[in-house]
Amino acid sequence: KQEVTQIPAALSVPEGENLVLNCSFTDSAIYNLQWFRQDPGKGLTSLLLIQSSQREQTSGRLNASLDKSSGRSTLYIAASQPGDSATYLCAAMEYGNKLVFGAGTILRVKS
Amino acid sequence: DTAVSQTPKYLVTQMGNDKSIKCEQNLGHDTMYWYKQDSKKFLKIMFSYNNKELIINETVPNRFSPKSPDKAHLNLHINSLELGDSAVYFCASSQDPGPRQPQHFGDGTRLSIL
Repeated sequence: KQEVTQIPAALSVPEGENLVLNCSFTDSAIYNLQWFRQDPGKGLTSLLLIQSSQREQTSGRLNASLDKSSGRSTLYIAASQPGDSATYLCAAMEYGNKLVFGAGTILRVKS
Repeated sequence: DTAVSQTPKYLVTQMGNDKSIKCEQNLGHDTMYWYKQDSKKFLKIMFSYNNKELIINETVPNRFSPKSPDKAHLNLHINSLELGDSAVYFCASSQDPGPRQPQHFGDGTRLSIL
């Protein structure tokens, strides 16, 4: 059974810092790995989707990497801003096209 | 011009009641989903429909019954509500059920059972 773990559970950084959020999954037989952002009281916004055959994806200040063999993905945020404060969720798509989510990392960027 | 909209946003009701949550998407997507986010913040898939056909049905009590009248709508009906049903329910859609398309989420319906 696929399990997705995110570390750290919470992170507080000063504005301008580069940071890394970690995601690990137990079953490497995934179709893709997705990163989402969730703002309080809101739904999830898709940030990056990495196909199983890819190693990384980039969008603006965000870069996500995928290492299937080790069961890990990282989300790198460059030059963090207060507007980046949110909960970041990773999800692995497993057989049957089902997304299995981690519990998230709560990020706070202080101005 | 909300992409995935859910109603109501909040739902407070008594144990034993029957309630429905509605979801509509205007993205022209073929696939829609229902997720449950519990108090520990874990999001878990409940159901998925593709072109009005049920394609994912996780281990969910049969008190939960999804209905898709057309591709743009996926409603969730819950019978005999229990305390453990308190959660945030999210609707989502994607262009197709495959791994290449991201899912787009609604803002959620917070269900509280008294």
